[in-house]
Amino acid sequence: EVHLVESGGGLVKPGGSLRLSCAASGFFSSYTMNWVRQAPGKGLEWVSSISSSGDHIYYADSLKGRFTISRDNAKNLLYLQMNSLRVEDTAMYYCTTLLSPDYWGQGTLVTVSS
Amino acid sequence: SYELTQPPSVSVSPGQMARITCSGDALPNTYAYWYQQKSDQAPVLVIYEDRKRPSGIPERFSGSNSGTVATLTIRGAQVEDEADYYCYSTGSSTNVFGTGTKVTVL
Repeated sequence: EVHLVESGGGLVKPGGSLRLSCAASGFFSSYTMNWVRQAPGKGLEWVSSISSSGDHIYYADSLKGRFTISRDNAKNLLYLQMNSLRVEDTAMYYCTTLLSPDYWGQGTLVTVSS
Repeated sequence: SYELTQPPSVSVSPGQMARITCSGDALPNTYAYWYQQKSDQAPVLVIYEDRKRPSGIPERFSGSNSGTVATLTIRGAQVEDEADYYCYSTGSSTNVFGTGTKVTVL
C-alpha cells in the first residue's frame, strides 16, 4: 500500500509560483503518479502524470507549459512546480496513483488571489 | 481537446437501479474508469478497465463500455451511495475526467 501526503499549498498572488510536494511511503517507485485538482465546487481535473521511471510525462492541454511535474524515487517524493499562476488555478491539488490500485493524498489547497 | 460528457444529476430511490452514462469519442479505443467522491473527501475508484471492481467495492457497482458510451450501474442503490461520480479515460498524451454526475438517493 502507498500512503501519500501533499504539502506546499497556500496563498499566492497572480503571476506567482508554488512548488507542491507529495511524500509517499510504500512502493512509490513502482507507480505512475498523477496530480489531479478540483476547484471549489467544481469537478475533478487531471493535471499531469509521470511514469514510474520519470521517462514519460504528460500534461493537460489547458496548462500551456506553466506546470512541471517531477519525481525523486530515492526520496519517495513527487513534485509539481507551478509558475505564472492564475486565479483559475485556485483548487485543491491531489497527488494520486489514480488507476488500480488507487491511492490518494488528502490534498493541498492552492489559492491564487491578489 | 478530448471530452467526456456525463448527465449533471441522477436521482434514484433506495433499492432501485441507477445508471450513469459517460460519452466520449475516444471511448471505443480506451478503458473507462469510475470514481466516487463524497462530500469533502478524496475520490475513490469504484470501477477500472471498464468493468472491474477494486477490492472492497460492493458488488452492486458494475460498469460497461459500448461504443462511445461507458456506463456505471448501481443495482440496489443505498443511501451511502449518494455522491458525485466521475468517469475518467486516458488518451495518447492526455487524460480527462468526465463532467461529473451528482447521484441523489431518496
